[in-house]
Amino acid sequence: GQQLNQSPQSMFIQEGEDVSMNCTSSSIFNTWLWYKQDPGEGPVLLIALYKAGELTSNGRLTAQFGITRKDSFLNISASIPSDVGIYFCAGHPPTSEGNKLVFGAGTILRVKS
Amino acid sequence: SAVISQKPSRDICQRGTSLTIQCQVDSQVTMMFWYRQQPGQSLTLIATANQGSEATYESGFVIDKFPISRPNLTFSTLTVSNMSPEDSSIYLCSVRQGGETQYFGPGTRLLVL
Repeated sequence: GQQLNQSPQSMFIQEGEDVSMNCTSSSIFNTWLWYKQDPGEGPVLLIALYKAGELTSNGRLTAQFGITRKDSFLNISASIPSDVGIYFCAGHPPTSEGNKLVFGAGTILRVKS
Repeated sequence: SAVISQKPSRDICQRGTSLTIQCQVDSQVTMMFWYRQQPGQSLTLIATANQGSEATYESGFVIDKFPISRPNLTFSTLTVSNMSPEDSSIYLCSVRQGGETQYFGPGTRLLVL
């Protein structure tokens, strides 16, 4: 099946710093979604990307759908302590498995105050 | 976005028993899914809950172990049958809304002793 390679696995950054994480795949995806999961909670949708090359912002968050449809990145500007959590990328493949949302392994973000 | 609730939010169960998890959505949705998140891991799709017909299971998941009901467009249940400690996970209900945007419930935390 299709896989998403998400990096980095974890990050430990200073408050106020910018953060970048990405997902790559050897195959194309129709949609890229970025989620954040806080401890004890379900994943919360941050940004959804639907077209190759699309760049979308949500407050301090910016995400892009790679032009090749095989990658996406998420940037967080001026990180704050509440940014702590696990960030997941996810995508819908274009095949008959298009109903299935494929997830990356997650990026654990820790912020030093 | 859809508001999704799950019951119970957490449970501790004895091996060999079964637990039924309920998922309620505040609006009618075409597609509902059940995911499992094992400790420290990413999300894995168990099955797609189909309204009025049998669920569609992913490789590695079977109906006898994870029977699913979906009597209408706003409700679904997942049963974890004959539980063992290996079933200790977070179980998440998810719905698709607005094309390929997908939302998750808060999860049910299951510990099997």
